[in-house]
Amino acid sequence: DADVTQTPRNRITKTGKRIMLECSQTKGHDRMYWYRQDPGLGLRLIYYSFDVKDINKGEISDGYSVSRQAQAKFSLSLESAIPNQTALYFCATSQDRAEQFFGPGTRLTVL
Amino acid sequence: GESVGLHLPTLSVQEGDNSIINCAYSNSASDYFIWYKQESGKGPQFIIDIRSNMDKRQGQRVTVLLNKTVKHLSLQIAATQPGDSAVYFCAENPLLGGSNYKLTFGKGTLLTVNP
Repeated sequence: DADVTQTPRNRITKTGKRIMLECSQTKGHDRMYWYRQDPGLGLRLIYYSFDVKDINKGEISDGYSVSRQAQAKFSLSLESAIPNQTALYFCATSQDRAEQFFGPGTRLTVL
Repeated sequence: GESVGLHLPTLSVQEGDNSIINCAYSNSASDYFIWYKQESGKGPQFIIDIRSNMDKRQGQRVTVLLNKTVKHLSLQIAATQPGDSAVYFCAENPLLGGSNYKLTFGKGTLLTVNP
């Protein structure tokens, strides 16, 4: 079984809709992250969380919100989706400053 | 500002040859570096890491070299195989400034292995 899972894997939605992307991990890591990946721009950090009570903005948090429901779960919401939020979204986990482990990604298309 | 970049966006090699993927970084405070491999349709996977107190580290068929003087990182893949075809990212993590959460990623190099 995968250590970091993301649902859904693919999603097509319309402008203005609220979307939630889910991430779960079985690695027992405290730290969780949400990134988006766009062609030619690499991975950019949206939000990160060091534990259940800790939420921090990354470099591109505008238009997004997150919820850390439990150590193992970290969800990303787009309150009102817009076309330029079309991207690949990755969740990752880590234990302190060590390597980050990535989920398989969610491909989101906003029409 | 901080940046992690790659010299070559694409690299094409013959199967069996050695591959070298380069990465430049600009933050002299970075003390931890990682190479990731991303295959099509998958998330990035850890390959190898290196800390700033080292200049070389070897794994299975891979070697990472760190030159702190010129802020340069490279990934060497020996006897490249078709399964090595992927996008390779370097990432850096600066120790100072309270940003120890943050991995800054390069934009990636696409490695294509020709049979």
